[in-house]
Amino acid sequence: GAGVSQTPSNKVTEKGKYVELRCDPISGHTALYWYRQSLGQGPEFLIYFQGTGAADDSGLPNDRFFAVRPEGSVSTLKIQRTERGDSAVYLCASGQGPNEQFFGPGTRLTVL
Amino acid sequence: AQSVTQPDIHITVSEGASLELRCNYSYGATPYLFWYVQSPGQGLQLLLKYFSGDTLVQGIKGFEAEFKRSQSSFNLRKPSVHWSDAAEYFCAVGGTSGSRLTFGEGTQLTVNP
Repeated sequence: GAGVSQTPSNKVTEKGKYVELRCDPISGHTALYWYRQSLGQGPEFLIYFQGTGAADDSGLPNDRFFAVRPEGSVSTLKIQRTERGDSAVYLCASGQGPNEQFFGPGTRLTVL
Repeated sequence: AQSVTQPDIHITVSEGASLELRCNYSYGATPYLFWYVQSPGQGLQLLLKYFSGDTLVQGIKGFEAEFKRSQSSFNLRKPSVHWSDAAEYFCAVGGTSGSRLTFGEGTQLTVNP
């Protein structure tokens, strides 16, 4: 079956602009996670959804970052007023079982 | 707070040699432990995981890892490395079902012919 997909694969934007990153989880997976991976670092947790609700959003760095999952499937990570420091690979993962997380290929965001 | 330390930023081995990648974790309760591999431009692929039971776990691609509670370690091993194993390896720790994973900074593996 299909894995986790993320679109776009690459996004280049200018400082101050708004961006949306999309994640399509594996069908039937109720848990969805967003992570951010900066160059040379391990992924850092951003937010976790169980169904439609954010069960843990403590990893979001500030109020410019927001994520939604309105129907319990696709999720969108939204970044307002982007800054150069937001440049990173944004990873999405989904899962069904205990601590089971299957990762997508990521979206590489570059803020100029 | 949970944390993971991977002491080796970069390791180089010869093809056919054995491999051990180190991972130390900090977690207040019984941890869930994972090893992932990431090839350039690819997503993270799960190699193996430990939840409970036998402390020696087998994974895909011939990898294994041993959980040692007394040393707070979960080292990854492979008896004979193949050139295709060259990639970045991440150790991660999680807690109760559905919680976040905390990753180490990764170990870059280079395999010489």
